[in-house]
Amino acid sequence: QVQLVQSGAEVKKPGASVMLSCVASGYTFTNNYMHWVRQAPGQGLDWMGMIYPRDGSTSYPQKFQDRITMTRDTSTNTIYMQLSSLRSEDTAVYYCVRDAEAFDVWGQGTMVTVSS
Amino acid sequence: DVILTQTPLSPVTLGQPASISCRSSQSLVHSDGNTYLSWLHQRPGQPPRLLIYKISHRLSGVPDRFSGNGAGTDFTLKISRVEAEDVGVYYCAQATQLKWTFGQGTKVEIK
Repeated sequence: QVQLVQSGAEVKKPGASVMLSCVASGYTFTNNYMHWVRQAPGQGLDWMGMIYPRDGSTSYPQKFQDRITMTRDTSTNTIYMQLSSLRSEDTAVYYCVRDAEAFDVWGQGTMVTVSS
Repeated sequence: DVILTQTPLSPVTLGQPASISCRSSQSLVHSDGNTYLSWLHQRPGQPPRLLIYKISHRLSGVPDRFSGNGAGTDFTLKISRVEAEDVGVYYCAQATQLKWTFGQGTKVEIK
């Protein structure tokens, strides 16, 4: 079955960077866009951007343009998301999401805590 | 950026219908003719789950008591008969020109 398995929880200090990973299985990895979506505690969903695994092309919203990078490794069916210059407001659960029909399959989420 | 505005919902009675509204700040008709408006449901402590995509297409496995409709800037998710498992937060989401945004969410509670 289609599955997205994300890396484990992270604790970072303000100003640091974090890199999260997401391993896809159960389907052809290069066929579908992949997204990262985050959710701060008690808040709604926040779209962070997307990557097309076939060619590595990306699209980011303006608010993250200068500090986010999404990459992929087609040999391991893995996507990565690096977020730099972390601040306390980046504390959230981060999800990777497949886009076959909109956001149809979600990873289990990775908690990132930014604290001094 | 496209802004999606969802309306709050009063607590609902089990077995009764419920409707959730999502209004967009601009038309969501894509240049390819499709309208990429989706609905997701999130229970506490779980990732969201896709229910509806492209306004009215129900994802495989989603109960048929869920339906979506609308066009242009106004969209609605309907639950024909609310069940206990339907509690949680519902989000609409849209994509225009490779940029996605979410509504702020509508909480569904049982009376």
